[in-house]
Amino acid sequence: ETGVTQTPRHLVMGMTNKKSLKCEQHLGHNAMYWYKQSAKKPLELMFVYSLEERVENNSVPSRFSPECPNSSHLFLHLHTLQPEDSALYLCASSQDFGRRGKLFFGSGTQLSVL
Amino acid sequence: SQQGEEDPQALSIQEGENATMNCSYKTSINNLQWYRQNSGRGLVHLILIRSNEREKHSGRLRVTLDTSKKSSSLLITASRAADTASYFCATDASETSGSRLTFGEGTQLTVNP
Repeated sequence: ETGVTQTPRHLVMGMTNKKSLKCEQHLGHNAMYWYKQSAKKPLELMFVYSLEERVENNSVPSRFSPECPNSSHLFLHLHTLQPEDSALYLCASSQDFGRRGKLFFGSGTQLSVL
Repeated sequence: SQQGEEDPQALSIQEGENATMNCSYKTSINNLQWYRQNSGRGLVHLILIRSNEREKHSGRLRVTLDTSKKSSSLLITASRAADTASYFCATDASETSGSRLTFGEGTQLTVNP
């Protein structure tokens, strides 16, 4: 148990659906991250939030919309996704964005887009 | 550009043997980290080595860093079946203002009982 909880663990959605992924960390960390892990590809950093402010948006399509209402919660809102968006979406947190420490990952949401 | 690249892509050994995985990267780094991932799960941090360090140990793990060659290695000694997992190196580039880890594609380690 890393202290980072992601829900749901699995999600199947159609291309016209709207869904949200949720991440909650119980570690008192100030930075939170969304990563995408596709088969046969390295993890891709999608978004970074530091003290609830977005500090990174790595050219992610607008059909992915992050939200960080407080330093413990992070959401990824999904709409009109494509089949190639099927992947494992991982949330992570770290003590502080600037301290360059280790990341604590959740177990991920396995997303399938039909 | 791609940062950490692991080698080999896959490694199969017998229990009790040592496993060595290598990572190469391209730009200057602040630190390099190794993570482990069991199938379908999140990543778990194993060890962090800073750019001014050359070697670190944690239990059965030994990590080396050669900044002149831009490479690192992870050695797992006396491997166990439970060590079966994917292992990733991640680099924290020094030119960035904050922590943005860039991961390699990983080495899939299989330890046969």
